[in-house]
Amino acid sequence: GQQLNQSPQSMFIQEGEDVSMNCTSSSIFNTWLWYKQDPGEGPVLLIALYKAGELTSNGRLTAQFGITRKDSFLNISASIPSDVGIYFCAGQLTGNQFYFGTGTSLTVIP
Amino acid sequence: DSGVTQTPKHLITATGQRVTLRCSPRSGDLSVYWYQQSLDQGLQFLIQYYNGEERAKGNILERFSAQQFPDLHSELNLSSLELGDSALYFCASSAGQVSPLHFGNGTRLTVT
Repeated sequence: GQQLNQSPQSMFIQEGEDVSMNCTSSSIFNTWLWYKQDPGEGPVLLIALYKAGELTSNGRLTAQFGITRKDSFLNISASIPSDVGIYFCAGQLTGNQFYFGTGTSLTVIP
Repeated sequence: DSGVTQTPKHLITATGQRVTLRCSPRSGDLSVYWYQQSLDQGLQFLIQYYNGEERAKGNILERFSAQQFPDLHSELNLSSLELGDSALYFCASSAGQVSPLHFGNGTRLTVT
């Protein structure tokens, strides 16, 4: 199947710092999605991107659909303790299955 | 609350047994996806159904099977269970071809 390379694998940051993570693929996608998963719970949709170059915000979160359609970025500004969790990217070709990245584990130190 | 309901939340069973996991998608969603997540692993796609028909298959073992019923709920059947089948099993649903996935809270399966 398709491989989505997500980096970094883990991050340890101080509360208040900004966070950046990205996802790259060897294939192009029509949709990029970002999810957050808390321990023992299902992934929750944060942002959905449908157009190359699109920049979308959701509160302190901003995500971009790469112009090549092979990558996407997620930024979190002014991190807070509740941002702790695992962040997954996902790519989809229209009508086909979703491919997930390996996840970025975020730890926020108060 | 994503609107996707999975039952049971926890399941503990012995090797060799068979279990059934149940999923009710969000109201109006026609597609149901099943994923397996082992400890500290990513989400492994198992199978997708759309309006009752199998649409795509991922890394699903032959011991596993699924179906989607006319009311759109779905069941994932796991048989001849092995210790390595212990994992979180997630169901997700989507409304259509360009709609994102919405996940349930999963069923944690422990095989002893």
